[in-house]
Amino acid sequence: AQSVTQLGSHVSVSEGALVLLRCNYSSSVPPYLFWYVQYPNQGLQLLLKYTSAATLVKGINGFEAEFKKSETSFHLTKPSAHMSDAAEYFCAVSESNFGNEKLTFGTGTRLTIIP
Amino acid sequence: EAGVTQFPSHSVIEKGQTVTLRCDPISGHDNLYWYRRVMGKEIKFLLHFVKESKQDESGMPNNRFLAERTGGTYSTLKVQPAELEDSGVYFCASSPLQGEETQYFGPGTRLLVL
Repeated sequence: AQSVTQLGSHVSVSEGALVLLRCNYSSSVPPYLFWYVQYPNQGLQLLLKYTSAATLVKGINGFEAEFKKSETSFHLTKPSAHMSDAAEYFCAVSESNFGNEKLTFGTGTRLTIIP
Repeated sequence: EAGVTQFPSHSVIEKGQTVTLRCDPISGHDNLYWYRRVMGKEIKFLLHFVKESKQDESGMPNNRFLAERTGGTYSTLKVQPAELEDSGVYFCASSPLQGEETQYFGPGTRLLVL
């Protein structure tokens, strides 16, 4: 069975500061890993994904994440936070054997940006 | 290209009533998924359709939930009778049959059972 742990249900950073959202996973097979973002009153939008190619993945809006197999981690970072980054972020894992498999999500991290 | 749409956006019903949620996937997407998020907890998988067939319904909580996808296009999720613990946000997602791992999500339906 696969699982995802997101440390910190709420994270606050100052505008212009580094954003670091943590995600650790467990999976019995090589995983596909995803970060989704949910802005207020909107659906989930894909930020980036890891599918066994490059371990450093770049996504939209300046976000990136690094897959570290030894640490079973896929932390999300952004060098400089912007007010528009305020949202809830979800890490998810799926089994990569066949693709199109169900996603297992973490509990989410709500990011607040302090002006 | 239109994204995944869900109807209604919000629904407030009383315990014991019936509610039907609808999801229209992206045109041409054969995979359709239902997920649910209850009261700030994690988003949990409910079931997966491939075209009109149920591929995986391991996440369906009980037999009060019935999902259908007649004709392999839109899907409905019926809750009958609704209980208080069914409150939450119901998300639908879709993806192409092969070659694309990304699931594209709709805005969700917020269900409140009183």
